[in-house]
Amino acid sequence: GAGVSQSPSNKVTEKGKDVELRCDPISGHTALYWYRQSLGQGLEFLIYFQGNSAPDKSGLPSDRFSAERTGGSVSTLTIQRTQQEDSAVYLCASSLAQGNEQYFGPGTRLTVT
Amino acid sequence: GENVEQHPSTLSVQEGDSAVIKCTYSDSASNYFPWYKQELGKRPQLIIDIRSNVGEKKDQRIAVTLNKTAKHFSLHITETQPEDSAVYFCAALSVGGGADGLTFGKGTHLIIQP
Repeated sequence: GAGVSQSPSNKVTEKGKDVELRCDPISGHTALYWYRQSLGQGLEFLIYFQGNSAPDKSGLPSDRFSAERTGGSVSTLTIQRTQQEDSAVYLCASSLAQGNEQYFGPGTRLTVT
Repeated sequence: GENVEQHPSTLSVQEGDSAVIKCTYSDSASNYFPWYKQELGKRPQLIIDIRSNVGEKKDQRIAVTLNKTAKHFSLHITETQPEDSAVYFCAALSVGGGADGLTFGKGTHLIIQP
């Protein structure tokens, strides 16, 4: 079946603009995660959704970041007033439930100029 | 919160030799430990995982060991091949313990010398 998909694959934006990143998880996966990977670095956890439940937002780097998941499926990560330090690859992953294998999407490479 | 340390950051081995990557974690509540392989420009892919109720798990040339008392776990790759060259990440998670996402180590760049 189809894997996790993300769009856009690349996004170049000017400092101060807002961006929206999209994730389509594997069908039937109730758990969805967002991570950030800066150049040559490990993966930093941002936020987790279990079904339609409200997520714990404490992992988000600042209040400029927000995320939502509609209907327990598609998720969007929004970054307002982008800064250069937001430049990174944003990876989405999904799993059947928390604690099961997480399958990653191809990522969105965000460049803030 | 959880903290995962990974060593070494770079590991170069001759083709056919074994490679070992080590990780330590800080949260004794962590009970799920996956290892991911990431090739250049690609997404991370799970290669093996272990849960805290077992001490070792093998899958062909790959094995993972877990020492809960010492809070460390290791990845062992035997008979290394050129296609094993990649960045490997260890991670930890407390399933059902409140921590929501994986905490990753900073990665090990494994280089297989022909």
